[in-house]
Amino acid sequence: DQQVKQNSPSLSVQEGRISILNCDYTNSMFDYFLWYKKYPAEGPTFLISISSIKDKNEDGRFTVFLNKSAKHLSLHIVPSQPGDSAVYFCAASGTSGAGSYQLTFGKGTKLSVIP
Amino acid sequence: ETGVTQTPRHLVMGMTNKKSLKCEQHLGHNAMYWYKQSAKKPLELMFVYNFKEQTENNSVPSRFSPECPNSSHLFLHLHTLQPEDSALYLCASSRGTITSYEQYFGPGTRLTVT
Repeated sequence: DQQVKQNSPSLSVQEGRISILNCDYTNSMFDYFLWYKKYPAEGPTFLISISSIKDKNEDGRFTVFLNKSAKHLSLHIVPSQPGDSAVYFCAASGTSGAGSYQLTFGKGTKLSVIP
Repeated sequence: ETGVTQTPRHLVMGMTNKKSLKCEQHLGHNAMYWYKQSAKKPLELMFVYNFKEQTENNSVPSRFSPECPNSSHLFLHLHTLQPEDSALYLCASSRGTITSYEQYFGPGTRLTVT
């Protein structure tokens, strides 16, 4: 059973508009969340993270929101640019206990930003 | 050369072959990881090394054998693979195994088992 779910395999957004990528998790032990971005023929690159003690983290055009009660996080990209077109992976981890550093990934959402 | 490099980028092998995947990181990190990404599946962690010591083996079949001679190099030795082992194999490294240390990924090796 998937512990990290990205239910939208793809998303298309017009350039300049907001992109919202969603992620749900089931494991209540997860307390650290990350977003990675992947271009074709490249490995994933770290984008932004959030600890469960926060509900929002912002870095330039990228903002991650965490709703612990709903076990849901989202990544907002504003404004969206064509260079943002990539596959975005949500990942989660616990920060205590054996193997706590292990990242559990979602399947990814392919974002296409249309010029 | 910077970052995390992987060779080869593509590999086709028969089920009776023996081959090795190589990963090298130039970031001064202490932890290295092997992940597998199969079609339409999430990335799955296979092995973790911290300061050259294996700290995790996520129930990976013995036909996959990792080796970490030093903190900069990681190998994945492959033998008698099955067609279902065809996947993208990604190497990553991080400063340590604390979660807040972000992992840096290599470009991956696309493996096809025939």
